Amino acid sequence: DGGITQSPKYLFRKEGQNVTLSCEQNLNHDAMYWYRQDPGQGLRLIYYSQIVNDFQKGDIAEGYSVSREKKESFPLTVTSAQKNPTAFYLCASSSPGGSLHFGNGTRLTVT
Amino acid sequence: EDQVTQSPEALRLQEGESSSLNCSYTVSGLRGLFWYRQDPGKGPEFLFTLYSAGEEKEKERLKATLTKKESFLHITAPKPEDSATYLCAVQVSGGSNYKLTFGKGTLLTVNP
Repeated sequence: DGGITQSPKYLFRKEGQNVTLSCEQNLNHDAMYWYRQDPGQGLRLIYYSQIVNDFQKGDIAEGYSVSREKKESFPLTVTSAQKNPTAFYLCASSSPGGSLHFGNGTRLTVT
Repeated sequence: EDQVTQSPEALRLQEGESSSLNCSYTVSGLRGLFWYRQDPGKGPEFLFTLYSAGEEKEKERLKATLTKKESFLHITAPKPEDSATYLCAVQVSGGSNYKLTFGKGTLLTVNP
């Protein structure tokens, strides 16, 4: 079955550590995205990539970094510069003009 | 600034009690409006895309409609398994072809 795989489902880190969230898709979609979801807030776009080796900042990119070396993969690094990293992180992909297909998320807790 | 407002924030229904969720939007130009369903701890699941005022789409007990200012998600005779958070998102014309702006969602609870 085609879909988006995010791993791990739960992640715990100490403050000051960088952490990388994995996102892999086998839908053959060109575009991939990272969203952050906090209680009581809408999904907010962190980064998106339309093609391999290219990506753009979303609305809340500060403290995050991404890479897009392969079409299937779009990992997100949460750096120590992100002031409030604890959140539910969602990866998605789409074809041009199509709807977003989401993974099942990674819940990151930083203490 | 593009804005998407969903109401109510939470809705509790009895099984079989029909109702509607609202998504109002303020954008420079609408390319598409999307509805998603999200279960706790899961990613959103795509339901519908609407492109122009007057358009309607249906899936089982759900029907989505669109006007120039808002969209409604009508739920007819809901069942407990319809309980979820329903998200609305808009894609703006003239902007990035890939960017969606989401509302905060409506948490629907259907009691048996």
